[in-house]
Amino acid sequence: GNSVTQMEGPVTLSEEAFLTINCTYTATGYPSLFWYVQYPGEGLQLLLKATKADDKGSNKGFEATYRKETTSFHLEKGSVQVSDSAVYFCALRGGSNYKLTFGKGTLLTVNP
Amino acid sequence: SAVISQKPSRDICQRGTSLTIQCQVDSQVTMMFWYRQQPGQSLTLIATANQGSEATYESGFVIDKFPISRPNLTFSTLTVSNMSPEDSSIYLCSVDREPNTETQYFGPGTRLLVL
Repeated sequence: GNSVTQMEGPVTLSEEAFLTINCTYTATGYPSLFWYVQYPGEGLQLLLKATKADDKGSNKGFEATYRKETTSFHLEKGSVQVSDSAVYFCALRGGSNYKLTFGKGTLLTVNP
Repeated sequence: SAVISQKPSRDICQRGTSLTIQCQVDSQVTMMFWYRQQPGQSLTLIATANQGSEATYESGFVIDKFPISRPNLTFSTLTVSNMSPEDSSIYLCSVDREPNTETQYFGPGTRLLVL
């Protein structure tokens, strides 16, 4: 079945630092890949997505590239802000299964 | 993106009681999903609700504990029955708003604490 393995946190960075959160997946077929973000006390928001190999999703300075050869979808941001403090979830959907499969989430804290 | 609202946003309930959570979407959608997020954990799919048919439950979830209604294409309810402290979680509904994009949008969640 489908699965997502996500870098365990928590991750603590200083403002303006570079961020990488690793995500690898296992799936049959050709899934779509997503990053969702959950700010403190809120629900999930779609951050970015990629639907086929070599696609790059981007939003709010975050980027992730769909790498089929390494089955990865790592999240990156060049300069984080305090307001980026949240839990980030990698997820996939499709292939042989319509259900959305989530990673365990990574808590990011950015200090001023 | 879809505008999804949930009621209540949070509640504190007594053991043995039941709570019904409502999910309202601003446009018609075929599939609606209910998830549970236990404290500090990821999301687990409870069931998929299609209008006009019985909900499809995931392994470990049963209709007697989590009955779901889907009376039309913009609304669904999830009831958490005979609650215990282990049911304390965030419950989220989500929808497929854009056909063939595989993108799910989530409601703000209902934070439930069972004492």
